[in-house]
Amino acid sequence: NAGVMQNPRHLVRRRGQEARLRCSPMKGHSHVYWYRQLPEEGLKFMVYLQKENIIDESGMPKERFSAEFPKEGPSILRIQQVVRGDSAAYFCASSPPTIETQYFGPGTRLLVL
Amino acid sequence: AQSVTQPDIHITVSEGASLELRCNYSYGATPYLFWYVQSPGQGLQLLLKYFSGDTLVQGIKGFEAEFKRSQSSFNLRKPSVHWSDAAEYFCAVGISAQGAQKLVFGQGTRLTINP
Repeated sequence: NAGVMQNPRHLVRRRGQEARLRCSPMKGHSHVYWYRQLPEEGLKFMVYLQKENIIDESGMPKERFSAEFPKEGPSILRIQQVVRGDSAAYFCASSPPTIETQYFGPGTRLLVL
Repeated sequence: AQSVTQPDIHITVSEGASLELRCNYSYGATPYLFWYVQSPGQGLQLLLKYFSGDTLVQGIKGFEAEFKRSQSSFNLRKPSVHWSDAAEYFCAVGISAQGAQKLVFGQGTRLTINP
């Protein structure tokens, strides 16, 4: 059973460009979570999604950030008009609906120049 | 508000020595508690978790943790560390909301092993 997949692993963008981060949950998992880890800090919750629904986006910045988890395909975290402060590691985690444990992907390290 | 505190930002121990990493949490309900380990440039691997029952939980790689409700603590221990244990360790509390959980993490403790 493959683990949580994230791609790309590293992403470099210039200020003002868009960043798209993808997450494929583990097989059988219907819950997806996105976390952000700023340099030298712990992970901070951003958003929790189920298929075709955003359940909790209380940790998402109000502007430029959006997330989706379509019926088919991976979950996408989209950052529009990136700024240097968006440079961070973005981790996706997944869990099945009846188990509380989240399993993390390897992360996408975003660098904004 | 829910929070997790890891008082030690950086700890250095010698290989073969015992280890204890501290974690204190603030959460009104019965907590779900986790320890994760992150190697440089990698994702997070679950070491162990506490949901209920026996307050001493065993995890992978020889780690254990003890839940102490009276102290709001969930400290991680290992009797004898190996050089491969050098990594960043994160304590987290699971916050139940809307049918699932989101994790609130501490800032992490970086563990260095001296040969």
